[in-house]
Amino acid sequence: DVKVTQSSRYLVKRTGEKVFLECVQDMDHENMFWYRQDPGLGLRLIYFSYDVKMKEKGDIPEGYSVSREKKERFSLILESASTNQTSMYLCASSFPSAGGDNEQFFGPGTRLTVL
Amino acid sequence: GENVEQHPSTLSVQEGDSAVIKCTYSDSASNYFPWYKQELGKGPQLIIDIRSNVGEKKDQRIAVTLNKTAKHFSLHITETQPEDSAVYFCAALPRGGGGNKLTFGTGTQLKVEL
Repeated sequence: DVKVTQSSRYLVKRTGEKVFLECVQDMDHENMFWYRQDPGLGLRLIYFSYDVKMKEKGDIPEGYSVSREKKERFSLILESASTNQTSMYLCASSFPSAGGDNEQFFGPGTRLTVL
Repeated sequence: GENVEQHPSTLSVQEGDSAVIKCTYSDSASNYFPWYKQELGKGPQLIIDIRSNVGEKKDQRIAVTLNKTAKHFSLHITETQPEDSAVYFCAALPRGGGGNKLTFGTGTQLKVEL
């Protein structure tokens, strides 16, 4: 069974803090993703990584950065958290495919509140 | 880039009835359309998908139809059960969308009432 785990289910931070969200997958997937989920907006891609140390911006990268030092781990970093970054954050992973149509496996999410 | 619209945002049906969720997409080059189901407290999970060379696909009580000309696709759930209650997301993948980067719809909260 594919397993994608996220370091925290709930997180409360203060405005201006540096925040790290960690994601680990155990299926040797090359691709890893970070999304944020907001009511009425669905899932929006923040960053994507297709290999160790490789990353691409998604649709809403502003205010975020990522790190992928090992294949199984993908970290999302909020350099200076702001209240508009209060959201549910979902990590996902998948094998690559020529057509890009492989299933993405999601973690349970981290609900981040920035006060 | 691709834009995916999903309707309705909420849907309430009686147990045993059918449910239909509709999505439209903007990029005619999109060629892969998955549906994900998100149960409470969990991440989304793929339940069915369709590729642009197929018009319909069925898996037990769920089916997906695709109309490439109109650029819309739909999820059909028959004989709904309480465990079908969840949030459903459609998505589209543009052709050449390297890296499996999907564009998701805004989600439909389905409630199956006893």
